[in-house]
Amino acid sequence: DQQVKQNSPSLSVQEGRISILNCDYTNSMFDYFLWYKKYPAEGPTFLISISSIKDKNEDGRFTVFLNKSAKHLSLHIVPSQPGDSAVYFCAAISTGANSKLTFGKGITLSVRP
Amino acid sequence: DVKVTQSSRYLVKRTGEKVFLECVQDMDHENMFWYRQDPGLGLRLIYFSYDVKMKEKGDIPEGYSVSREKKERFSLILESASTNQTSMYLCASSSSAGTLRDEQYFGPGTRLTVT
Repeated sequence: DQQVKQNSPSLSVQEGRISILNCDYTNSMFDYFLWYKKYPAEGPTFLISISSIKDKNEDGRFTVFLNKSAKHLSLHIVPSQPGDSAVYFCAAISTGANSKLTFGKGITLSVRP
Repeated sequence: DVKVTQSSRYLVKRTGEKVFLECVQDMDHENMFWYRQDPGLGLRLIYFSYDVKMKEKGDIPEGYSVSREKKERFSLILESASTNQTSMYLCASSSSAGTLRDEQYFGPGTRLTVT
């Protein structure tokens, strides 16, 4: 059963416009969420995170929004740049000694020049 | 600069062979992880370790084993490789023993092909 869902496999946006990457989760125990970015032939790198006590976290061009009631989070990239073209993974974890990070399937973002 | 290195970028093995994938981190991290990445399936956790000689099963441990004899090194072992283990294998590490909530640092990956 997939607990972290990234239902859109790909997204294409024009340079300078906003990119919105969506992520849904089913496990109500998740209380911490992370986004990772992955370029081809490289390992994923951490991008931004958000705790369930917040509904927004911002870091430069990247903002993550969390809607706990809808079990939904989104990553906004403004303005989008060609260098943002990559696969973006949403991940979630719950409190507890045995909790592990659960990743979604990823979304491939293409930013057109 | 933090670094996680994996012994091979590309590896081709035959069915039935024993395969060792090595991972080394230089950040003195407590936790180390092995994932596999497959198209349409994302990142799936195979095993992780939160201390030397300690290991925990992830979501898909079948067909794999691990070894952590030193803090900086975490090995993934395929006892008898099969074609369905053809995949990208990613190693990661994170700090803070007792929690897996910290940012994970990933290696570049090993593309394993089993023929």
